Amino acid sequence: DAGVIQSPRHEVTEMGQEVTLRCKPISGHDYLFWYRQTMMRGLELLIYFNNNVPIDDSGMPEDRFSAKMPNASFSTLKIQPSEPRDSAVYFCASSLVHLPGTGGMETQYFGPGTRLLVL
Amino acid sequence: SQKIEQNSEALNIQEGKTATLTCNYTNYSPAYLQWYRQDPGRGPVFLLLIRENEKEKRKERLKVTFDTTLKQSLFHITASQPADSATYLCALDTGGFKTIFGAGTRLFVKA
Repeated sequence: DAGVIQSPRHEVTEMGQEVTLRCKPISGHDYLFWYRQTMMRGLELLIYFNNNVPIDDSGMPEDRFSAKMPNASFSTLKIQPSEPRDSAVYFCASSLVHLPGTGGMETQYFGPGTRLLVL
Repeated sequence: SQKIEQNSEALNIQEGKTATLTCNYTNYSPAYLQWYRQDPGRGPVFLLLIRENEKEKRKERLKVTFDTTLKQSLFHITASQPADSATYLCALDTGGFKTIFGAGTRLFVKA
């Protein structure tokens, strides 16, 4: 398996523009996560999906952020309009194992990330 | 509030020595805890998972301990090598299908 695939790897855009980040999870994984990583705040969970359904989007910072998962093999994270403070590395991760009996989540497999710079 | 703390300063050690990284948490009762490695420009990579009823877990040169009374996990790399230089993140299960990550500790192993 190629692992989690993200595109683009780097994105430079101007403030006010729409940005779309893409993710292809590992085939067969039923959970998908979007994270944002910055020096100041570390790795933050934005939203996650189970079987293509958004389960928890409480980490999405503002209404400018939206995420979709139209099918099991594709997800997007969109920022519209983008702002300089959105500059960060955005990671997508997928997971297969639902730890039975505890409702927890096992190992997550991360993509290489998209480095976003908003000028 | 929920909090995870890792050594904020970088850890510098000599090749061959044992590196010990600390992860402390408050206001949680996690069912399990994980350690990930992250190299510059890459996503985190899973290393080890330890459950609340386990005291210790080993994998090759790696060892993790989990003390739910102290609310602390220790991550050890024995016979460290320059290739072990990276940032190491601990991650907690917080229930509700969420995992939260610590800020990470940067490890430098000198030859």
